Amino acid sequence: DADVTQTPRNRITKTGKRIMLECSQTKGHDRMYWYRQDPGLGLRLIYYSFDVKDINKGEISDGYSVSRQAQAKFSLSLESAIPNQTALYFCATSAEGRGAHSYNEQFFGPGTRLTVL
Amino acid sequence: GQNIDQPTEMTATEGAIVQINCTYQTSGFNGLFWYQQHAGEAPTFLSYNVLDGLEEKGRFSSFLSRSKGYSYLLLKELQMKDSASYLCAVKSLGGNTPLVFGKGTRLSVIA
Repeated sequence: DADVTQTPRNRITKTGKRIMLECSQTKGHDRMYWYRQDPGLGLRLIYYSFDVKDINKGEISDGYSVSRQAQAKFSLSLESAIPNQTALYFCATSAEGRGAHSYNEQFFGPGTRLTVL
Repeated sequence: GQNIDQPTEMTATEGAIVQINCTYQTSGFNGLFWYQQHAGEAPTFLSYNVLDGLEEKGRFSSFLSRSKGYSYLLLKELQMKDSASYLCAVKSLGGNTPLVFGKGTRLSVIA
């Protein structure tokens, strides 16, 4: 079973619709992240959460909101989708680093391909 | 702020060696990651460097020079399956700072 899952895997929607992308993890990690990836622009951070009560804006949070329903679940919402939000969206998790050389790498979900028409 | 630079694309021949460079500028460095990402798939962790020097892991090695703000990923005995994007990501000091990713280098391995 995958440690980090995302639903849906693909979604086509229309401008103005509200969309929710969901992420679940079984790794027991406290930290969760949402990224979008566009050709030539790399991975850009939308929001991140270091525990259930912690939500932080990333580089490109405008037009997005998130909800951390539990340690294992982190949802991304587009309140009113627009075409330039068409992208590949990744959820990721990491453990909290402990010790001088712990590096708590990020583990990524399989991605959600979102198309806004 | 942080700035991470990688070449956009590279091409190399099957069986050869290729070096993918990454330069970075950050206020407070606390480690550098390399990830591999095949087209349409999730990035997967390759390596982590926090001290100067070379870390070897099979066909892949990663090097770091903190004084120069420079890292490279070295891929030996290239295989067609190594065609992918390679992402450099920097971790800053402070426990609550997320990784910052470069834009990635798309490597094409040709016969």
